[in-house]
Amino acid sequence: KAGVTQTPRYLIKTRGQQVTLSCSPISGHRSVSWYQQTPGQGLQFLFEYFSETQRNKGNFPGRFSGRQFSNSRSEMNVSTLELGDSALYLCASSLQWGGTEAFFGQGTRLTVV
Amino acid sequence: GENVEQHPSTLSVQEGDSAVIKCTYSDSASNYFPWYKQELGKRPQLIIDIRSNVGEKKDQRIAVTLNKTAKHFSLHITETQPEDSAVYFCAVPISSGSARQLTFGSGTQLTVLP
Repeated sequence: KAGVTQTPRYLIKTRGQQVTLSCSPISGHRSVSWYQQTPGQGLQFLFEYFSETQRNKGNFPGRFSGRQFSNSRSEMNVSTLELGDSALYLCASSLQWGGTEAFFGQGTRLTVV
Repeated sequence: GENVEQHPSTLSVQEGDSAVIKCTYSDSASNYFPWYKQELGKRPQLIIDIRSNVGEKKDQRIAVTLNKTAKHFSLHITETQPEDSAVYFCAVPISSGSARQLTFGSGTQLTVLP
């Protein structure tokens, strides 16, 4: 059974650009959550999608958005990138939504220069 | 997150000794308590979890204990080995409006000294 797959693994972008990250959950899992991990702030919750609907959203600006497709794959988008957006972005796959057993992908390391 | 406090932030132990990491939480409705291990440059991996109807769970050298009344749970690692060196995170499903989300502690850097 394949694990959680995130692409790309690494990204370097310039301030002001936008970026799209992708996450494919474990087969049969319908929930995808996104987290931002930085040395200073730890793992911060961005949002959670289940059955193509956003079920919960963390305390991030509107520049951070996401969506989920009918095959449960999810994308997150960050527009107008800022230097402070440099982080490891992790997605987590779960059978159900709302804080249940979650399995992480390898993450996408985003560097904004 | 501010609803989950994890201590200590760093922990060094000699190989073969035990390590204990503690998390406290505020949401009395929380009913699931996982622990994750993240090695340098790798993803967080679920290593053990416990549900609120159980007080203790063991898996070889690791165990988790839960005190629902006091709202805290702990990770215990016995006979530590150098490969146990990593950052450990606790997590708790915390209510946010009508939804719940897994909220993570700030992490504990465990170093096992040979």
